[in-house]
Amino acid sequence: DIQMTQSPSSLSVSVGDRVTITCRASQSISRYLSWYQQKPGKAPKLLIYAASSLQSGVPSRFSGSGSGTDFTLTISSLQPEDFATYYCQQSYSALLYTFGQGTKLEIK
Amino acid sequence: EVQLVESGGGLVQPGGSLRLSCAASGFTFSSYGMNWVRQAPGKGLEWVSYIGTTTSTIYYADSVKGRFTISRDNAKNSLYLQMNSLRADDTAVYYCARDWIGHCSGGSCYSGFDFWGQGTPVTVSS
Repeated sequence: DIQMTQSPSSLSVSVGDRVTITCRASQSISRYLSWYQQKPGKAPKLLIYAASSLQSGVPSRFSGSGSGTDFTLTISSLQPEDFATYYCQQSYSALLYTFGQGTKLEIK
Repeated sequence: EVQLVESGGGLVQPGGSLRLSCAASGFTFSSYGMNWVRQAPGKGLEWVSYIGTTTSTIYYADSVKGRFTISRDNAKNSLYLQMNSLRADDTAVYYCARDWIGHCSGGSCYSGFDFWGQGTPVTVSS
């Protein structure tokens, strides 16, 4: 099974900060990596797919990079509506999609 | 407008069964693979199961294999999850999510779950 490990698990940040979240796969997954944002009580929202492709309607302050085993999600200038939990997900192995454990952005 | 609406959740005793449904609208349901994803209280997301456009391609997480059965009825634009032998650790909000292929290049197709339902809660407790 492919394990996905995110870091950090939580992050205290301020509006306007540049935020970077890391996701590491236990084996190479090429660019089969998506990022999701989830707010409390809501369904997740797709932000990035194919490691770096921005989903339609997602603000350009969100960006993704990486390939193989190491990936990052970057928010260039954090906005108030960005406080949420972020998850990575691998789709390399359709036999077993897996999510990372999540990274919660909290207000400093 | 794409909509996914789950139903069928509720309180069930350990060892019991429950059948979840997901009604799809606003897109050609038969053209998309579909997934079930769950989230236990206060925990992260866990992928549960995938079904392709036909029933020939089906996958399950190890945690539910042999107990849960995913199915679909393309004529009714509906996705289902039959859950048997339920355990306390199956307690979660269950989401259905559309499997969307963003683009293909060089023989590789990259996908994500682009639309999700609002979720239906399942509680397994005596």
